Amino acid sequence: DIQMTQSPSTLSASVGERVTITCRASRGINKWLAWYQQKPGKAPKLLIQEASSLESGVSSRFSGSGSGTEFTLTINTLQPEDFATYYCQPYSENWMFGPGTKVEVK
Amino acid sequence: EVQLLESGGNLIQPGGSLRLSCAASGFTFTTYVMAWVRQAPGKGLEWVSTISDTGFSTYYADSVKGRFTISRDNSKNTLSLEMNSLRADDTAVYYCAKGSLPRGFIVAFDLWGQGTMVSVSS
Repeated sequence: DIQMTQSPSTLSASVGERVTITCRASRGINKWLAWYQQKPGKAPKLLIQEASSLESGVSSRFSGSGSGTEFTLTINTLQPEDFATYYCQPYSENWMFGPGTKVEVK
Repeated sequence: EVQLLESGGNLIQPGGSLRLSCAASGFTFTTYVMAWVRQAPGKGLEWVSTISDTGFSTYYADSVKGRFTISRDNSKNTLSLEMNSLRADDTAVYYCAKGSLPRGFIVAFDLWGQGTMVSVSS
């Protein structure tokens, strides 16, 4: 199975900052990576698929990049509603999620 | 309205069985891969199982293989998860989710239900 690592596990940031989350795969997954946002008590929300394709209705503050084994999610100009936990998910072989990154208020 | 609605969660004793259901509406259910994803209290997301649009192909996480069975009834737009030999570490909110592309298998999950809670405890 493909193993995913995410870093950092927790990220403390302030409104207006630019933040970057990294996801690394144990072997190449081409572009088959998704990013989800989850807020407490809520279902996850798909933000990006195919590593960089922004879902309809998702703010352009969010962007994704990468291919192969290393991927990044960037949030430009962090807004109050962006404090949440973010998960990456490779979906080329199975659908196992990365461990998550909690973006918290500094 | 496009939505998924899970039901069937409950408190169950270790070793017991439970069947979860997910009612889909607002999209052509028969053309999409469907899946179950769970989240234990305070933990991350864990993929559980995926089923093809026809129901002929199924996939399971190692943690549930041999104990859980995913199925779908395309005539009723319903996804199910039969869970047997339940253990304490199966305690979680269970979400059903829809594949992001019709007829595709390399898909992310673009629609999620609100989740149903399964608690395994004596």
